[in-house]
Amino acid sequence: SAVISQKPSRDICQRGTSLTIQCQVDSQVTMMFWYRQQPGQSLTLIATANQGSEATYESGFVIDKFPISRPNLTFSTLTVSNMSPEDSSIYLCSVEFLAGENEQYFGPGTRLTVT
Amino acid sequence: QKEVEQNSGPLSVPEGAIASLNCTYSDRGSQSFFWYRQYSGKSPELIMSIYSNGDKEDGRFTAQLNKASQYVSLLIRDSQPSDSATYLCAVDSGWGGGNKLTFGTGTQLKVEL
Repeated sequence: SAVISQKPSRDICQRGTSLTIQCQVDSQVTMMFWYRQQPGQSLTLIATANQGSEATYESGFVIDKFPISRPNLTFSTLTVSNMSPEDSSIYLCSVEFLAGENEQYFGPGTRLTVT
Repeated sequence: QKEVEQNSGPLSVPEGAIASLNCTYSDRGSQSFFWYRQYSGKSPELIMSIYSNGDKEDGRFTAQLNKASQYVSLLIRDSQPSDSATYLCAVDSGWGGGNKLTFGTGTQLKVEL
């Protein structure tokens, strides 16, 4: 089965700084997504990472705060910009391997703490 | 606003019993339904997908779908302590929604010895 990795696995950052999270898959995927999971809560979709074009953001999330790149079929990055303590969360990438089935598989997540 | 509703639990069952987890959804256009298991401190793991009305069995897990009632459930037979986790129901965004999934808040399952 395919391996989905994320870097870093965790980080502690200061208010006002930015962090870029990487998601790497060892095989080509059709879709890549970025989610946030705040403590004790469910998953909230941030955006769909589109290969070679701008990401599609969900309501409440904007490109200036969460810029996303997807240069190819196996890699994407999410940047959390100008961080505040409210951005403390687990950030997860997910991927779809087969078009049309909507089955998403998650990376291990990045635990971010903003002080 | 598309919604996916689950009881938060915790649902406690004795070892060896059947655990029944339930989920309702609001979008009648949804076509794909998923159950994820999430252990504390870990990312969600896909355990079942179901696309048609009726039952789908995989080992000790059975997913049940009733589109008319907008209801999907997960049965876990012969529950084991290792099944203790939070179970997330996820539903696709229906017609025109693309590949997006909406997740419920999850049901915490505790399997007691």
